Amino acid sequence: EAQVTQNPRYLITVTGKKLTVTCSQNMNHEYMSWYRQDPGLGLRQIYYSMNVEVTDKGDVPEGYKVSRKEKRNFPLILESPSPNQTSLYFCASSLAGSLGGYTFGSGTRLTVV
Amino acid sequence: GDSVTQMEGPVTLSEEAFLTINCTYTATGYPSLFWYVQYPGEGLQLLLKATKADDKGSNKGFEATYRKETTSFHLEKGSVQVSDSAVYFCALSAILNNDMRFGAGTRLTVKP
Repeated sequence: EAQVTQNPRYLITVTGKKLTVTCSQNMNHEYMSWYRQDPGLGLRQIYYSMNVEVTDKGDVPEGYKVSRKEKRNFPLILESPSPNQTSLYFCASSLAGSLGGYTFGSGTRLTVV
Repeated sequence: GDSVTQMEGPVTLSEEAFLTINCTYTATGYPSLFWYVQYPGEGLQLLLKATKADDKGSNKGFEATYRKETTSFHLEKGSVQVSDSAVYFCALSAILNNDMRFGAGTRLTVKP
């Protein structure tokens, strides 16, 4: 089944403790992206990647890092999480130059206390 | 930059009522337009899309027409069901890259 898999689904952590949210897709998509969803703000892009070893900042990259060492994986790293990073996070992928839209993961609900 | 504005919710309707969720966009060039749906506890799913002016996207009884003259892509359904209760997102994507811009989302609740 074609899908984007995120882990974990739920995570509660403390301020300053480094964490990684994993994202993997099995569709051989070139393009991958991370979004955060906050009430009233819709989805805001954190980082995206056009292909392996090619990443770029989205609208809200502060406090986040990403890497794209393999085509299928695009982990999101929070080196020192803060409470304002409490949010619902989505990973998405698509074919390069796609007009077909994105395939989204099921989301990761992160709480930083 | 490119942006999407959609009507604020929440929207509450009775079953079999007519649904309209307004969406307008600002973009340079000619973007593709999308509607996504998010059911409780799930990720976003592509509902329908349109890639050029006057195209009509449709799926599961939902429709939206790409109106370049009014820069709009309103979502409509003639008769909603309880199972349509979800959050709906309008989005656009520039032709030359994969950057997707989303509206704030509209929560729809359909009551029996």
